[in-house]
Amino acid sequence: GAGVSQSPRYKVTKRGQDVALRCDPISGHVSLYWYRQALGQGPEFLTYFNYEAQQDKSGLPNDRFSAERPEGSISTLTIQRTEQRDSAMYRCASSPTGSGNTIYFGEGSWLTVV
Amino acid sequence: AQRVTQPEKLLSVFKGAPVELKCNYSYSGSPELFWYVQYSRQRLQLLLRHISRESIKGFTADLNKGETSFHLKKPFAQEEDSAMYYCALSGLETSGSRLTFGEGTQLTVNP
Repeated sequence: GAGVSQSPRYKVTKRGQDVALRCDPISGHVSLYWYRQALGQGPEFLTYFNYEAQQDKSGLPNDRFSAERPEGSISTLTIQRTEQRDSAMYRCASSPTGSGNTIYFGEGSWLTVV
Repeated sequence: AQRVTQPEKLLSVFKGAPVELKCNYSYSGSPELFWYVQYSRQRLQLLLRHISRESIKGFTADLNKGETSFHLKKPFAQEEDSAMYYCALSGLETSGSRLTFGEGTQLTVNP
């Protein structure tokens, strides 16, 4: 594909609902990252995969957040029982391998919890 | 712990003027430093990384380990340089290419 693809681009959900954000990385990229960016802040690391293995989930803020990449390609970030403080842009990125490579970002998914 | 600080949230210059976007970092090991840029309605993308020692779109950045800085400079700003700029760091203690970002500086180049 042309680049990292994320969907939905915009999501408005009511507090307490679950949301799933999808990321389709660049074909062949081994590593996939999720970042969260609140208004006025820089991107903040959430989690990272090599192939289907979740290598680091230390950035997930609490157990309402989870991510998977079952076949080593598309990834889903799920937020359960959403709260207003979850409102942010969620950015996905991919790179050919883990270390030392440029990472390529998608356009992001804007989540608003009302 | 690692941290990236961009002291200016907003920076405004006139076309043709020099521009410097400041970035300071704290990291105990040997960091790798990056500048990412987001132009209006485009995705976040890599501008340059210190190990490449390249000049991209006229921008340069030198890693100063003594001052723990990685300031981004351009001698003559252009209107198309208007964008959001993020300084970022990765290090050996972090997994893969995991990045720590600063809060960003919004650069506006006025005609």
